[in-house]
Amino acid sequence: EAGVAQSPRYKIIEKRQSVAFWCNPISGHATLYWYQQILGQGPKLLIQFQNNGVVDDSQLPKDRFSAERLKGVDSTLKIQPAKLEDSAVYLCASSSGQGRYEQYFGPGTRLTVT
Amino acid sequence: QQQVKQSPQSLIVQKGGISIINCAYENTAFDYFPWYQQFPGKGPALLIAIRPDVSEKKEGRFTISFNKSAKQFSLHIMDSQPGDSATYFCAAVYSSYKLIFGSGTRLLVRP
Repeated sequence: EAGVAQSPRYKIIEKRQSVAFWCNPISGHATLYWYQQILGQGPKLLIQFQNNGVVDDSQLPKDRFSAERLKGVDSTLKIQPAKLEDSAVYLCASSSGQGRYEQYFGPGTRLTVT
Repeated sequence: QQQVKQSPQSLIVQKGGISIINCAYENTAFDYFPWYQQFPGKGPALLIAIRPDVSEKKEGRFTISFNKSAKQFSLHIMDSQPGDSATYFCAAVYSSYKLIFGSGTRLLVRP
């Protein structure tokens, strides 16, 4: 079974530029999550999707971050405009969501904002 | 309160020793407590997990001890190996299967 795929793996941009990350979850997983992991900290949930609907985006800075999950499969997370404090690893995770708690994480995208 | 407190921040253990990482929580609505292992450049990987109605769960060299009344749980790694050197995160699941993570423990197992 293929795992969660993310791209790109690394991205360096200047502040005020925009950037997008892509995630392909495990096949059949209805629930998809985006996390932000700042160096030396645990991952923090940004947004949760159930199929193509948003379950929770309460911690997503909506003035600059947006996310979508078209057709309930792949998802993209966008930052526009980026700030220095957005430098972090952005992790995507998926779960079957059928009464199962286990989340499976992708390798992440390391974003550096200069 | 949506918070999980983890200690220590870092841990050095000799090969063959026991590694112990502790976590505490306040929210009694948490209903599942997983531990994740993360190697540099990789995403967190589920290691072992426990439900609050169980006091202990063991999988190979990894054991979770859970104290519901004290709202504490811990990970024990028996016979620690250099390959166990990684960052470990405790976590808790709350409403709609969301995860909240502890701050992490960097484990170094010396040969």
